[in-house]
Amino acid sequence: SQQGEEDPQALSIQEGENATMNCSYKTSINNLQWYRQNSGRGLVHLILIRSNEREKHSGRLRVTLDTSKKSSSLLITASRAADTASYFCATAPVGAGNMLTFGGGTRLMVKP
Amino acid sequence: GAVVSQHPSRVICKSGTSVKIECRSLDFQATTMFWYRQFPKKSLMLMATSNEGSKATYEQGVEKDKFLINHASLTLSTLTVTSAHPEDSSFYICSAPDSRADEKLFFGSGTQLSVL
Repeated sequence: SQQGEEDPQALSIQEGENATMNCSYKTSINNLQWYRQNSGRGLVHLILIRSNEREKHSGRLRVTLDTSKKSSSLLITASRAADTASYFCATAPVGAGNMLTFGGGTRLMVKP
Repeated sequence: GAVVSQHPSRVICKSGTSVKIECRSLDFQATTMFWYRQFPKKSLMLMATSNEGSKATYEQGVEKDKFLINHASLTLSTLTVTSAHPEDSSFYICSAPDSRADEKLFFGSGTQLSVL
C-alpha cells in the first residue's frame, strides 16, 4: 500500500537551520498529509493539504503541493532538537475513503 | 484531538503462542480502524482495514488466518497474531479516523512484538 517516495531518507542538520523533506506519489489524491513519529511511538498528524491547495502553513511548518508533478514538500523552519523524529507523507487516494498510503519517511536529526 | 489507546505497548512471547493487541478509540466512535506493520526504520505497511460489525478487509499478501481482526464495537478493534513465529516480530500500529476531524488519522502508540 506504500505509494509515496520520500527524500532524503535521512537528514542531519544543526539547530536553527531549516529542514526540507520531499514526497512524491503516483495516483490522484484527495489530500496529502504529513505525520511525525518519534522512535518507537505512534504517528502524530502535523498538517493536511487538499488537492486544490498549493501551499499551507502551520506554525513553523510549511507544506507545498504540486499535483501536476505529484509531489509535496515539508519545510520546518528554525529547527529545534525536539524536532528530531521521522516524518512521513501520506496520501488519500481518490475513492479510497479514509485509507492513507504512506511514504518511506525521512529521518530527521537536529543537533543541538 | 481524538485519542486512540493501544495495548500492550510491548510484548514478548514464545514461538507458537498467540498474542492479542487492542486498539480503543477513547472519545469518539470508530467504524473503521486500520492496522499497520512497521519494520525498523521503514514505513508503515497497511495490513488490514477493520470494519465494525463486519469482516476485515485484508491487504494482498496478509494471511487472514494468521492475523485475526475483530471489530466488535464502535470503540474497540483487536488484532490477534496466531501461532506467532520470530518472523512476526515487528511494530504493530493501529489508527482510526474521527469523523469530526477532517480526513486525518489518529494513531495508537504502537505495540512492539518480539517472538522468541
